[in-house]
Amino acid sequence: DTGVSQDPRHKITKRGQNVTFRCDPISEHNRLYWYRQTLGQGPEFLTYFQNEAQLEKSRLLSDRFSAERPKGSFSTLEIQRTEQGDSAMYLCASSPTSAPQETQYFGPGTRLLVL
Amino acid sequence: AQSVTQPDIHITVSEGASLELRCNYSYGATPYLFWYVQSPGQGLQLLLKYFSGDTLVQGIKGFEAEFKRSQSSFNLRKPSVHWSDAAEYFCAVAPFSGNTGKLIFGQGTTLQVKP
Repeated sequence: DTGVSQDPRHKITKRGQNVTFRCDPISEHNRLYWYRQTLGQGPEFLTYFQNEAQLEKSRLLSDRFSAERPKGSFSTLEIQRTEQGDSAMYLCASSPTSAPQETQYFGPGTRLLVL
Repeated sequence: AQSVTQPDIHITVSEGASLELRCNYSYGATPYLFWYVQSPGQGLQLLLKYFSGDTLVQGIKGFEAEFKRSQSSFNLRKPSVHWSDAAEYFCAVAPFSGNTGKLIFGQGTTLQVKP
């Protein structure tokens, strides 16, 4: 068990560029979550997957954001036409089951800075 | 709307002193309750969780938390703080209904430990 990994750890981009982040969950975890954390705030839920199915998207996830989890393994989060307001830490978490009391295991996050 | 409040944004305690971090939630029913810790450059790590049974739960690193239904609170405690406990602490709830498992976080409490 190597834990949840995220790549890249840091990303600096210019406004208007597209960026893609990757999350590799713990093996055989069928739930995968994306959260966003801005400075001085707690993480905010963005979306989650049950295997390859995306089951819920937050209103925070504008149409510039898209997430996928092909084959129910790793997941990608893409932001198109980045804006300065997208600057944040993007966290990925996975859990072994769909039970709400289940522990979510978090990755180290990808810190995005949009100039 | 469901919400989590951590009234103390920043707390400073001396090493060896006791610690209590406050958490209040707003929800129609008893949700699942969690405390996570985030150290710089690290992902969030679960300290403890409550979903039923004994209202005093024990966690890792010597932490405990008490669920008080009448006060809608889930305060985190530690009898003797160590310098390595300096970090950011997040209280979170997972709503009982809907089975999404998504977490709603408070804004966090930053703990500083004085030598």
